[in-house]
Amino acid sequence: GQNIDQPTEMTATEGAIVQINCTYQTSGFNGLFWYQQHAGEAPTFLSYNVLDGLEEKGRFSSFLSRSKGYSYLLLKELQMKDSASYLCAVRSSSARQLTFGSGTQLTVLP
Amino acid sequence: EPEVTQTPSHQVTQMGQEVILRCVPISNHLYFYWYRQILGQKVEFLVSFYNNEISEKSEIFDDQFSVERPDGSNFTLKIRSTKLEDSAMYFCASSASGTGRETQYFGPGTRLLVL
Repeated sequence: GQNIDQPTEMTATEGAIVQINCTYQTSGFNGLFWYQQHAGEAPTFLSYNVLDGLEEKGRFSSFLSRSKGYSYLLLKELQMKDSASYLCAVRSSSARQLTFGSGTQLTVLP
Repeated sequence: EPEVTQTPSHQVTQMGQEVILRCVPISNHLYFYWYRQILGQKVEFLVSFYNNEISEKSEIFDDQFSVERPDGSNFTLKIRSTKLEDSAMYFCASSASGTGRETQYFGPGTRLLVL
């Protein structure tokens, strides 16, 4: 089976940096995805990691350590519009389906 | 930018009725998916579809559910006899074939309410 853990909620201030952690236990591994989901809307793709290390894309970076079953999403220069749920999702090696964590609700305060 | 579209955006139905949710995946994508999200809960995989057949399905996807690609553009999810617990947001997603980096792009969802 697969188990994905993320903090339920986080709060940060506009302009700050926030790190959202995700730990996973899966039977096989073929990539980890981060999605952003605003309330009532669809998940929007943010980043993908399959090898260890950091992937940077503008204000967003994602890190993966396969040996530790650990990833984080780093958001810099936070803006009010970054208030959303951030979903960690894992794809196992035997399937294309994504298994999602419960999401981390980020609130950005002025 | 190409996107996945879904209709209707909202559907209200009576328990026991059949519903069909429609999706138009991104045009050059070959893999299609349905996920659902019960209010306040995580996104859950239902089924994936490739080359006109189901390639994977979850335990949720029982005999009450079916999928179809009736033409070259639409991808549908049918729930034969809806139950109260089927109330959820249903997301369609699609991905291109090939590399391991393939990203699943989600449609805006259909909010289904079963009364």
